[in-house]
Amino acid sequence: GAGVSQSPSNKVTEKGKDVELRCDPISGHTALYWYRQSLGQGLEFLIYFQGNSAPDKSGLPSDRFSAERTGGSVSTLTIQRTQQEDSAVYLCASSRSGAANTQYFGPGTRLTVL
Amino acid sequence: AQRVTQPEKLLSVFKGAPVELKCNYSYSGSPELFWYVQYSRQRLQLLLRHISRESIKGFTADLNKGETSFHLKKPFAQEEDSAMYYCALASGGSYIPTFGRGTSLIVHP
Repeated sequence: GAGVSQSPSNKVTEKGKDVELRCDPISGHTALYWYRQSLGQGLEFLIYFQGNSAPDKSGLPSDRFSAERTGGSVSTLTIQRTQQEDSAVYLCASSRSGAANTQYFGPGTRLTVL
Repeated sequence: AQRVTQPEKLLSVFKGAPVELKCNYSYSGSPELFWYVQYSRQRLQLLLRHISRESIKGFTADLNKGETSFHLKKPFAQEEDSAMYYCALASGGSYIPTFGRGTSLIVHP
């Protein structure tokens, strides 16, 4: 079946612009996660959704970052007024429910802020 | 708070040599532990999880609760094992898995 998909695969933007990153999880997976992967920094947790609710937004680095999930499916991560330090690969993962289940990752969106 | 430590950022071995990627965790309860792997230009994917007690691609990992470790081992490394490896911990009390910082394994011919 189809895995987790993300779009765009690459995004180059200018400092100060807003960007939207999209994630399509595996059908039926109730849990959805966003991570940021930077060179040498491993995986940085950003936000977790259970259904459409985000019980944990503790990883969002600043109020410029927001995310939503609709219909218990697609999620978008929005970064406003992008900064150069936002440059990274943004990964989305889904699982049947909760952290104890295997996470299935998307291919990521590589964001470059000039 | 739960924590996962992968002490080596980079591990370099020759083909055919044994390899051990270290993972230590801190958690007071009964953890679920995973190893994820990311090959070059591929997505991050599950390699193995401790409850399944499987051997995947020749890799094994044993949960040692006394030493709070979940080291990943392979007796004879292959060039295709070169990748980034992440250890992860999930606990019943949290929906957020904790990932280590990752170890880059390079297997030289």
